[in-house]
Amino acid sequence: DAGVIQSPRHEVTEMGQEVTLRCKPISGHDYLFWYRQTMMRGLELLIYFNNNVPIDDSGMPEDRFSAKMPNASFSTLKIQPSEPRDSAVYFCASSITGLEQYFGPGTRLTVT
Amino acid sequence: DQQVKQNSPSLSVQEGRISILNCDYTNSMFDYFLWYKKYPAEGPTFLISISSIKDKNEDGRFTVFLNKSAKHLSLHIVPSQPGDSAVYFCAVSFYGGSQGNLIFGKGTKLSVKP
Repeated sequence: DAGVIQSPRHEVTEMGQEVTLRCKPISGHDYLFWYRQTMMRGLELLIYFNNNVPIDDSGMPEDRFSAKMPNASFSTLKIQPSEPRDSAVYFCASSITGLEQYFGPGTRLTVT
Repeated sequence: DQQVKQNSPSLSVQEGRISILNCDYTNSMFDYFLWYKKYPAEGPTFLISISSIKDKNEDGRFTVFLNKSAKHLSLHIVPSQPGDSAVYFCAVSFYGGSQGNLIFGKGTKLSVKP
């Protein structure tokens, strides 16, 4: 079975540019999560969806961040404009129950 | 303030011995607890979980213990193997509430030496 798929695996961009991260959840999983991992703050939940509907976006740091889930098999996390402090590893995870979550390999974002 | 604390950033254990990873939480309303394992350049992998109605859950070499009065969670790995070397995260949730809101500790890096 394919796990959670994320693309790209690495992204290097300049400050001010738009960045789009992509995620394909495991088929049949109704929950999708976006996390950010940094050395300082650890693993933080940004937003999660249930049945394609955003349920909690209180972790989204500011208006520069947005996430969409147009269908059950695809989600995007967009940062516009990007800033150096957005540099982190971004994980997507999916779940049947919302509790046991299955993570993708992550996207390492570097904003210079 | 951290709601979930893993006070040991690292732990080194000899192969074949027991590894004990600890986690403390602050809110007695948390009622579901999980452990994840993470290898470098990979996402975290779900390992084992326990609900607040239990005090122990076992899966092969992995056992999670929950002490609700002390708000303390531990993961025991017996016997430890070199392949267990990874970063271990504990996570907590309000199962009865918003099911998506897992709160993670900052992790403990386990090194199992041959």
